[in-house]
Amino acid sequence: GENVEQHPSTLSVQEGDSAVIKCTYSDSASNYFPWYKQELGKRPQLIIDIRSNVGEKKDQRIAVTLNKTAKHFSLHITETQPEDSAVYFCAAMSTLNFGNEKLTFGTGTRLTIIP
Amino acid sequence: GAVVSQHPSWVICKSGTSVKIECRSLDFQATTMFWYRQFPKQSLMLMATSNEGSKATYEQGVEKDKFLINHASLTLSTLTVTSAHPEDSSFYICSARVGGAYNEQFFGPGTRLTVL
Repeated sequence: GENVEQHPSTLSVQEGDSAVIKCTYSDSASNYFPWYKQELGKRPQLIIDIRSNVGEKKDQRIAVTLNKTAKHFSLHITETQPEDSAVYFCAAMSTLNFGNEKLTFGTGTRLTIIP
Repeated sequence: GAVVSQHPSWVICKSGTSVKIECRSLDFQATTMFWYRQFPKQSLMLMATSNEGSKATYEQGVEKDKFLINHASLTLSTLTVTSAHPEDSSFYICSARVGGAYNEQFFGPGTRLTVL
């Protein structure tokens, strides 16, 4: 099965600076990679996702890059703000396993933005 | 739109009792629902996948007789923890998805189960 590793487990960044979280996956069949943000005591929410047919996707201050050859993908948050403080999870899935399309989550990164 | 609710939000029960958790998609019909378990400061571990009207598919290591999942309609799935024990104490989160795998999974707010 798929195995997703995520680093770092904790990250503290000065407000206004950039934050980068990295994930690697094991299953070369994985072709869909979402990122979720989970604030304390709340539900995970999708913030950005990328499919394997593109190498980069950007949405305002958030971007995700994908290297299929190396089997790793990264989340980039620029101009960080206090409200970015949360736990971020990467995930991977193969949409080719018809009837068995399930997300495998990374271990999470606790991001703290220092005012 | 795309709201998923869970009930109850928290429950405390005695060891040996059974607890039922409901997951509802409020404004859409979910063809697939997922149940996850999350330990404190840890990741979401998929327990099972359920499609409306069919038996749930359980992940390796998850006891199907202990964690009963029913997906009777396109808007409701239930997870019953049978004969709960303290080690079953955890945060249980469901998610719901419409249609194909690329479609977003919407998560419920979670249910914190504490077994005494």
